[in-house]
Amino acid sequence: QVQLRESGPGLVKPSETLSLTCTVSNASVFSGNYFWNWIRQTPGKGLEWIGFIEYSGNTNYNPSLKSRVTMPVDTSKSQFSLMLSSVTAADTAVYYCARGHCVAATCPLDFWGPGTLVTVSS
Amino acid sequence: AIQMTQSPSSLSASVGDRVTITCRASQGIGNDLAWYHQKPGKAPQLLIYAASTLQSGVPSRFSGRGSGTDFTLTISSLQPEDSATYYCQQDYNNPCTFGQGTKLEIK
Repeated sequence: QVQLRESGPGLVKPSETLSLTCTVSNASVFSGNYFWNWIRQTPGKGLEWIGFIEYSGNTNYNPSLKSRVTMPVDTSKSQFSLMLSSVTAADTAVYYCARGHCVAATCPLDFWGPGTLVTVSS
Repeated sequence: AIQMTQSPSSLSASVGDRVTITCRASQGIGNDLAWYHQKPGKAPQLLIYAASTLQSGVPSRFSGRGSGTDFTLTISSLQPEDSATYYCQQDYNNPCTFGQGTKLEIK
């Protein structure tokens, strides 16, 4: 069974960079027809897709966050990461990583990590 | 971005009831729609994808229909463990977007 788990600081100061890592078990990040996603959830805005890195290493980001998001690649590990720069209180959320498994033209999110709460505060 | 609107926002039903949740897209999305449910403190869990395909391991009381802009999720005989918030999601184009959620309570 594929497992994902998010890790990283639970508290980030305003204007700094939020950095999270997703560790994947029982699957390789860079093989197969998969997309590796970050999603966040807040009480006010609900579920918001941040972006994905696909098995080939290409990335695709939500236009609303694109200027602040990077998903660096680590080919030596079964991990993918999220970096979100210049954070504000509005970036306080539960952050999830999830696998997108493409079937025909759609890529539903079939495995999710448990989520990690990140609070932006000084 | 495509907006996904769910109705109702919340509902209460009894064990054994048939329940239907509706999701409407602001533009046509073919059948690129998935349904998830989420229990408190847990991550969302995939129920249905491609509008009507049941994810492996999901009970057959869950079913999905629709294409274009209008979609439904039906639970044929509600069970106590179905108490959760339900979300639809489109990945027809970037960015993929989620509905605001429907909170289902068991009476």
